[in-house]
Amino acid sequence: GAVVSQHPSRVICKSGTSVKIECRSLDFQATTMFWYRQFPKQSLMLMATSNEGSKATYEQGVEKDKFLINHASLTLSTLTVTSAHPEDSSFYICSARGRYGEQSEEKLFFGSGTQLSVL
Amino acid sequence: GNSVTQMEGPVTLSEEAFLTINCTYTATGYPSLFWYVQYPGEGLQLLLKATKADDKGSNKGFEATYRKETTSFHLEKGSVQVSDSAVYFCALREDNDMRFGAGTRLTVKP
Repeated sequence: GAVVSQHPSRVICKSGTSVKIECRSLDFQATTMFWYRQFPKQSLMLMATSNEGSKATYEQGVEKDKFLINHASLTLSTLTVTSAHPEDSSFYICSARGRYGEQSEEKLFFGSGTQLSVL
Repeated sequence: GNSVTQMEGPVTLSEEAFLTINCTYTATGYPSLFWYVQYPGEGLQLLLKATKADDKGSNKGFEATYRKETTSFHLEKGSVQVSDSAVYFCALREDNDMRFGAGTRLTVKP
């Protein structure tokens, strides 16, 4: 099946530093990528939707200057958490929508997530 | 490793029909289980969840019970509506590991 590679899987950083998370669709082109965060035992919260070559659309309450999203190509989107603070510690997961192989309809595929811990 | 398997779609039903979407999981410990729904053109939304064995999650007429003995979390609704047409994802999370099923597309016809 289609593979979405998310990297790194775990990162620990100091408060005030920036962290970049990559999401790559390895064997299909992703027309749209979604970024979510999830707190322990809570549901996913959509942060933003990005389409290749255009600015991301952020959900209400998500600071776009803090969570920078770049979708530079049809196979790569990045989320940068700028000037991270302990309250940004969370589980971040991406998903990519596209057509895989001979399939005629677009489907949603998920990365494996990134656990961010800010000290 | 952990994994989630859900029935493949697409599923097409008439309005007011009974819905079941099967979901089974493999986990090393005691995960939380979720059902997410994706309406056309939108991102995922949490539909319901259960955090321990025998818990029943319910929302909008949908239900799913966390069955540890059968490692299942099947989604059910007694009477579907056209507005329930969407893609449904079963998911589990255990510590830092989150897994999704492949998704099941449901189409409800009037």
